[in-house]
Amino acid sequence: EADIYQTPRYLVIGTGKKITLECSQTMGHDKMYWYQQDPGMELHLIHYSYGVNSTEKGDLSSESTVSRIRTEHFPLTLESARPSHTSQYLCASSAPGRGGNTEAFFGQGTRLTVV
Amino acid sequence: KQEVTQIPAALSVPEGENLVLNCSFTDSAIYNLQWFRQDPGKGLTSLLLIQSSQREQTSGRLNASLDKSSGRSTLYIAASQPGDSATYLCAVSLYGQNFVFGPGTRLSVLP
Repeated sequence: EADIYQTPRYLVIGTGKKITLECSQTMGHDKMYWYQQDPGMELHLIHYSYGVNSTEKGDLSSESTVSRIRTEHFPLTLESARPSHTSQYLCASSAPGRGGNTEAFFGQGTRLTVV
Repeated sequence: KQEVTQIPAALSVPEGENLVLNCSFTDSAIYNLQWFRQDPGKGLTSLLLIQSSQREQTSGRLNASLDKSSGRSTLYIAASQPGDSATYLCAVSLYGQNFVFGPGTRLSVLP
């Protein structure tokens, strides 16, 4: 069973507020990811990390930022939320294998609504 | 650039049918392929992981096969149930690169 947790599960917030979406995993995985997914649409990678102090931008440009101070924790921050940020945000982790990624595990997601 | 497609995009079947969902990828140099299930508004649940050296994996009523040379994987669901209704996604992992996800197949199993 996957041990990766996201909080909050649902968040409704006003425009201009600063928010942080939390993601934690207890599997000791080095690689962690943030994906953005609109309802019924495909997953888009917005950030990933190879390990502590490593953060990289993904395929989809995002106004969010991430940090990786501890292996188990990969929070995502929006400094000033806008209605265009309304979406579902999914966190995932995987352990690097020899040359590639091993099995990926996902959290339950955070559904963000900016009003 | 690796591209992943899934056919069909949506499928609606009566309960009890055996199903085949298809996943195709353009670059055969994959490290592994993973099948996921996603319920509406939820995260992804890992169903099966096939390493590049393997041909298939089985879990309960699910069987996934991999043919790297042709760039295809199939997910076989036996004796489908209404609880199987969800979106099924495949993802390939390339050497030294991130996962590439398909768009998913939306499955409805009618009682």
